[in-house]
Amino acid sequence: GAGVSQSPRYKVAKRGQDVALRCDPISGHVSLFWYQQALGQGPEFLTYFQNEAQLDKSGLPSDRFFAERPEGSVSTLKIQRTQQEDSAVYLCASSLVRGSGGIYNEQFFGPGTRLTVL
Amino acid sequence: AQSVTQLGSHVSVSEGALVLLRCNYSSSVPPYLFWYVQYPNQGLQLLLKYTTGATLVKGINGFEAEFKKSETSFHLTKPSAHMSDAAEYFCAVSLLTGGGNKLTFGTGTQLKVEL
Repeated sequence: GAGVSQSPRYKVAKRGQDVALRCDPISGHVSLFWYQQALGQGPEFLTYFQNEAQLDKSGLPSDRFFAERPEGSVSTLKIQRTQQEDSAVYLCASSLVRGSGGIYNEQFFGPGTRLTVL
Repeated sequence: AQSVTQLGSHVSVSEGALVLLRCNYSSSVPPYLFWYVQYPNQGLQLLLKYTTGATLVKGINGFEAEFKKSETSFHLTKPSAHMSDAAEYFCAVSLLTGGGNKLTFGTGTQLKVEL
């Protein structure tokens, strides 16, 4: 079956431009996560959705970052007025359900979108 | 809050040699622990995980890891390295404390396998 897909795979933006990154989770997956991976670093959590509800956005670095998942499936991460420090790989992950009752549900990762801000 | 430390950003081994990638964590409550592998231009793939139960966990591709609570460690090993193991490896921790089960990653260890 299809895994998590992300588009575009590569994006080059001029400083100050707005960008939108798309994530298509595995069909039926309730939970969706966005992570930011800077060069040479591990991924860092940005935000989390359970269905269409954004339950945790504590990792968003500034108010220029905005994420949505209006119908509980596809999600878009939008970055306004991009800056050079936004250059990173943005990873999306989905899992079947929210972890509960001591049962962990594996997060499946997409290939990421590499954003370069010039 | 939880954190992960991976000792050694680069590890080089000979083909057929033992692979040992180190991971230490800090957490205020018992964590769930993971190792992920990332090949160039690809997403993260789960190698193995510890949630509860047996502290020695086996994963894909011959990797295994042991959860040692007293040492707050979760080191990854493989008895015999293969060229195809060359990749970046990330240790991660998660807490099921509500709000999903977001992962906190270490900074990664690049594994090089030499002939």
